[in-house]
Amino acid sequence: GENVEQHPSTLSVQEGDSAVIKCTYSDSASNYFPWYKQELGKGPQLIIDIRSNVGEKKDQRIAVTLNKTAKHFSLHITETQPEDSAVYFCAPKQGGSYIPTFGRGTSLIVHP
Amino acid sequence: NAGVTQTPKFRVLKTGQSMTLLCAQDMNHEYMYWYRQDPGMGLRLIHYSVGEGTTAKGEVPDGYNVSRLKKQNFLLGLESAAPSQTSVYFCASSYGVGSTDTQYFGPGTRLTVL
Repeated sequence: GENVEQHPSTLSVQEGDSAVIKCTYSDSASNYFPWYKQELGKGPQLIIDIRSNVGEKKDQRIAVTLNKTAKHFSLHITETQPEDSAVYFCAPKQGGSYIPTFGRGTSLIVHP
Repeated sequence: NAGVTQTPKFRVLKTGQSMTLLCAQDMNHEYMYWYRQDPGMGLRLIHYSVGEGTTAKGEVPDGYNVSRLKKQNFLLGLESAAPSQTSVYFCASSYGVGSTDTQYFGPGTRLTVL
């Protein structure tokens, strides 16, 4: 099965700084690369995703970059705000699979 | 649309008691999933279903059973609860393979087994 690792497990930044979270996966057949955000007391929610034929995707302050050769993808958040404080999960998935594999999560703390 | 809903939101059980968690989705999704979330362990898949009447085991299925009698509902049962099943349980759904792979999560059920 897919082996997924997320780093760092905890990230503490000052408001306005940038944050980067990296997800490494093992299955070269993975072709869908999403990031989910989980706020305290809620279920995870998709914030951005990318497919294997695209190297980068941006949506306002967040972006995802993919390096298929090295088998990793990263979440980039610029101009962080306190409301960005949450746990972020990556969940790469192979196109023919029913099941994504979730990373263990990264707790992002943005200090005002 | 309500999206994915879960019932109940909180529950406290005694060891050996049974209960059923209900998940409902109104997005006509084919696939549904049950996860448990424990501190430092991320989301671990318990069981999943790829269509009405079908179920399959995930990573941590022991002690749980599931049923998908209707497309919109996915039930998770604990026949004899144990303290190790104290966790937060999330249900999720998705359209299915070949389509958008996004998982839509419910708000969770916090279960404590004493």
